[in-house]
Amino acid sequence: AQRVTQPEKLLSVFKGAPVELKCNYSYSGSPELFWYVQYSRQRLQLLLRHISRESIKGFTADLNKGETSFHLKKPFAQEEDSAMYYCALNPGGGTSYGKLTFGQGTILTVHP
Amino acid sequence: NAGVTQTPKFRVLKTGQSMTLLCAQDMNHEYMYWYRQDPGMGLRLIHYSVGEGTTAKGEVPDGYNVSRLKKQNFLLGLESAAPSQTSVYFCASSYRAPYNEQFFGPGTRLTVL
Repeated sequence: AQRVTQPEKLLSVFKGAPVELKCNYSYSGSPELFWYVQYSRQRLQLLLRHISRESIKGFTADLNKGETSFHLKKPFAQEEDSAMYYCALNPGGGTSYGKLTFGQGTILTVHP
Repeated sequence: NAGVTQTPKFRVLKTGQSMTLLCAQDMNHEYMYWYRQDPGMGLRLIHYSVGEGTTAKGEVPDGYNVSRLKKQNFLLGLESAAPSQTSVYFCASSYRAPYNEQFFGPGTRLTVL
C-alpha cells in the first residue's frame, strides 16, 4: 500500500525567505503526486500536480523518483502563503478511480 | 455553481445515535469521495463512488455506510456513533479520470460525546 509522509507538522519562515515543504512517498509504481492547500476559512483546493509541471502562485514541485520525494518550493514566501499544505498521491492505473492518499499536512506560517 | 455542498456544517451526537451527512455536487462529476480529517493524520478516505448506484470501501470504512442513489448526491451514514468518529468530514468530487482535480466541500465538524 502507498504511504505519504510530510515530516514537518509546523514550518515558520519570514516574508521574503525561501520555503520548502517536504513530501516523501512510498509506492512501487508510477504515481501521480499533488499538493493541496487549505487557507484559513477556505476549502481544501488543488495547488499543483506533478503531471502539469506548472508553477502556481510562485510554487513549484519536482517529482524525484530516485528519492521518492515531491517537495514544494517557493523562492520568496509571502504572508498570504500561510496555510495548511497537504501532499497527496494517486497510484494511477484504471482502478485507482482518482483515490488519494494524503500526508499528515504541514502548517506554514509566514511572518511579516 | 455551488460546487460541492455539505450539510450539516456542525453536529453534536451522543454515543449510539445515528445521523446522515449529505454531500451534493452540481458539476456532473462521476466520482465522489468521503474523507475524514484528524489532527496529525491528514485526510483518510472512508468510502468512494465511481458512479450512480455504486459505492466502495476506502481506507477507514468501519462504522460508516454510504449510498449514491442520485449522481449528484453522496450520503454518509453513521448507524451508531462512537467518540472515535469525532472528526471533520470532507466530501469531494471529480471527473472520471485518474489524475483529475478533486473539488472539496466545506466540511462537517462532528463531535460524538
